[in-house]
Amino acid sequence: KAGVTQTPRYLIKTRGQQVTLSCSPISGHRSVSWYQQTPGQGLQFLFEYFSETQRNKGNFPGRFSGRQFSNSRSEMNVSTLELGDSALYLCASSLYFGGGNTIYFGEGSWLTVV
Amino acid sequence: KQEVTQIPAALSVPEGENLVLNCSFTDSAIYNLQWFRQDPGKGLTSLLLIQSSQREQTSGRLNASLDKSSGRSTLYIAASQPGDSATYLCAPSPYNTNAGKSTFGDGTTLTVKP
Repeated sequence: KAGVTQTPRYLIKTRGQQVTLSCSPISGHRSVSWYQQTPGQGLQFLFEYFSETQRNKGNFPGRFSGRQFSNSRSEMNVSTLELGDSALYLCASSLYFGGGNTIYFGEGSWLTVV
Repeated sequence: KQEVTQIPAALSVPEGENLVLNCSFTDSAIYNLQWFRQDPGKGLTSLLLIQSSQREQTSGRLNASLDKSSGRSTLYIAASQPGDSATYLCAPSPYNTNAGKSTFGDGTTLTVKP
């Protein structure tokens, strides 16, 4: 069974630009959650989508947004990029939303903002 | 708000040693706790998941224990190998599905020297 797939793996953007990252969950998983990982802040929860609806949200500014499609694939978007947005963005999938479900992570997308 | 602490932050041991990684969490109202491994520049790989009703879970050379009432979990690695070198993160998961996803500790970076 294929794992969680994230694209692109690496990208470099300029401050002020926007970026879209994509995540395909494990087949049959309907929940997709996104995390930001930086050396200073560790792994922080961004948001979670289930059945095309945002179910949970972390403490990030409105520049960070996401969506989920009917096939459970998800995208996250960061607008007006700042240098501090440079991070590893990780997507995870699980069968259902919320706590209590085993989480499976993708390899991540490395974003560098210059 | 759940807070997770992992001690030590870094650990270096010679090959063959048995070792224990510690995880403490402040909110004992958890549904389960998951241990992950992260190799440099990679996503997280799930190692073990312990349900709140369990006290131990084993997989090969790994054994995880959970004491929910005291807010502690340990990951025991037997006969460590250089391939075990990675960062290990613990993530307690909330019982309430509306309380968001798991909160992650900052991890323990393990180096096993040949």
